Amino acid sequence: QKEVEQDPGPLSVPEGAIVSLNCTYSNSAFQYFMWYRQYSRKGPELLMYTYSSGNKEDGRFTAQVDKSSKYISLFIRDSQPSDSATYLCALTNTGNQFYFGTGTSLTVIP
Amino acid sequence: KAGVTQTPRYLIKTRGQQVTLSCSPISGHRSVSWYQQTPGQGLQFLFEYFSETQRNKGNFPGRFSGRQFSNSRSEMNVSTLELGDSALYLCASSPDGLAGGILRGTQYFGPGTRLTVL
Repeated sequence: QKEVEQDPGPLSVPEGAIVSLNCTYSNSAFQYFMWYRQYSRKGPELLMYTYSSGNKEDGRFTAQVDKSSKYISLFIRDSQPSDSATYLCALTNTGNQFYFGTGTSLTVIP
Repeated sequence: KAGVTQTPRYLIKTRGQQVTLSCSPISGHRSVSWYQQTPGQGLQFLFEYFSETQRNKGNFPGRFSGRQFSNSRSEMNVSTLELGDSALYLCASSPDGLAGGILRGTQYFGPGTRLTVL
């Protein structure tokens, strides 16, 4: 069983829609949960991280962690064409090991 | 400020050969971490170097190795290449360690080196 599972999509939404991206994980020891955005032919960029359970908001982006369900989500409000990219979730326990989802491809249609 | 640079950007090798990839971090960054990205497995952590010492290592065979120089530039070496080693190899730098880079939002990736093994 993989440490983290992510729906690969692809996901296609109209501009202005709310997007929900999700990952599930298996090891309850994970404490830090990250989201990366990767544009085509570019390296990933760190969007945000969350520690333990709860929500974290940064502009149009909200990261949510439910440790009881081992489920993490990234919500994008008022999606824009510039949000079209692949989004990767990532997890770490103590900072020594890192595990990434395979990524969800998102297209926002103008 | 220049970003993370990786050379070469593209590389073609044959099975059994070895390859060395280079990563130059952002000036002042002491941590360099390496990753392998493939369509099937996604992004996987290889290892992290900080101040010339390997700090963390992912689950990859010993054919994958690296080192870091005193100027923080890092190289990754793969020996006895296999077809499955074909991937995009990414490095990232941060000022004070991989975990710190994530917590402070100061982790930056390079564009990657596309390795094809024939």
